[in-house]
This record gives sequence, structure tokens and C-alpha cells, in this order.
Amino acid sequence: DAGVIQSPRHEVTEMGQEVTLRCKPISGHDYLFWYRQTMMRGLELLIYFNNNVPIDDSGMPEDRFSAKMPNASFSTLKIQPSEPRDSAVYFCASSRTQGGNQPQHFGDGTRLSIL
Amino acid sequence: AQSVAQPEDQVNVAEGNPLTVKCTYSVSGNPYLFWYVQYPNRGLQFLLKYITGDNLVKGSYGFEAEFNKSQTSFHLKKPSALVSDSALYFCAVRDGGQGNLIFGKGTKLSVKP
Repeated sequence: DAGVIQSPRHEVTEMGQEVTLRCKPISGHDYLFWYRQTMMRGLELLIYFNNNVPIDDSGMPEDRFSAKMPNASFSTLKIQPSEPRDSAVYFCASSRTQGGNQPQHFGDGTRLSIL
Repeated sequence: AQSVAQPEDQVNVAEGNPLTVKCTYSVSGNPYLFWYVQYPNRGLQFLLKYITGDNLVKGSYGFEAEFNKSQTSFHLKKPSALVSDSALYFCAVRDGGQGNLIFGKGTKLSVKP
């Protein structure tokens, strides 16, 4: 089975530019999560969706960040304008359900560097 | 509020020796506990999860985890470490039937030949 697929794997861009990260969840998974990983703050949940609907975006750091899920097989995380402090590894994860002992399955991430 | 702690930033073991990576948790309801492993430049991979009633849970790559309700711990163990086990390990907890996973800060495991 194909896992969670993220693109691009690496992104280097100048501050002020728009950045779009992409994610394809595992087929049949109803939940999709976006995380950010940094050395200082560890793994942070940014937002998650259920059946393509955003449920909790309280982890989104500021209005420069937005996420969409137009259909069950695709989600984007956009940063506009980007800043050097946004440099991090961004992970997408999906799961069949939200509760109980269902694990989340992670993509390999996008390493974002804002110069 | 739920929380999870991994008290060691790094664990060093010699190849062939047993290893333990520690995790303690705090929840108000029934705990749902997980271990993940992250290799360099990769995402988190699911290793194992706690199943109610089983104090010793077996997972992938020869890893197991010991659940201790009185000590609110879920330590990851392996009888004989391999150099290839060197990676970052995350413990995660979910409080009760619903809710998000809360991840620990991670423990770097280094296995030397």
C-alpha cells in the first residue's frame, strides 16, 4: 500500500515568497494532520481535517499560514509571505479514525528553508 | 490535561546489549499509548501501540513496550540492540477514546558497535 506522499521533499526560497506544501493521504483515511518539527519546539500539530473539513486550526501559528483539503486525496499547506522563522520540516499524517488506538501514518516530510 | 514525558534526550548502548527508552504519561481517562521511530530525513514510523490488558506489547523490528499503570509508564525495550536501531524515538499518548495524539520531545538512541 502506498503511504502518505508529500511534495516537494525539499524547498528553499527567499523570504516573502509564497510556499505551497502538498500531501496525499492514504486512501480510505478520513483524518489528515499537518505537523511542524523543529529542534527548539519538537513536533507541533498545526491543523487537522476530518472528511476534508478543517476541525481544529488552533496550532496554526499566524494568518500567514493556511491549509485546504479540496478532496479526500489532496491537501495543501500554504505560507504567504514566508519568513526565515518558518524554516522547519513539515509533516503530513493520516489516520482511519481519530480515536482509540488508531495510529497516525506519516509522510517523509518537506524540509523548508526560508533564506 | 494529557501530557507525555521522555526524560532522556539521548540513550547510548552497545550493540548486543538490551536497551530501554523511557516514557511516562499523564491522562485523566484511559491511556492510548504509541511508540514511533524516526530515521534521518524520514517521517515518523509507527512501531507499536498499547492494547488494553496486555502489559507487554510486541511491535516491529523486535521492539516491545512495557505498560505499568501504577507508574504511568510505557517504556520501550529491546533485548539486543542493533546499530541500525540508532534513530529518534517518540512516545505519544491519547487521552481516552477521542482526541489528538500528544507527542513527547523524542529520545535519540545511539547504538555503538
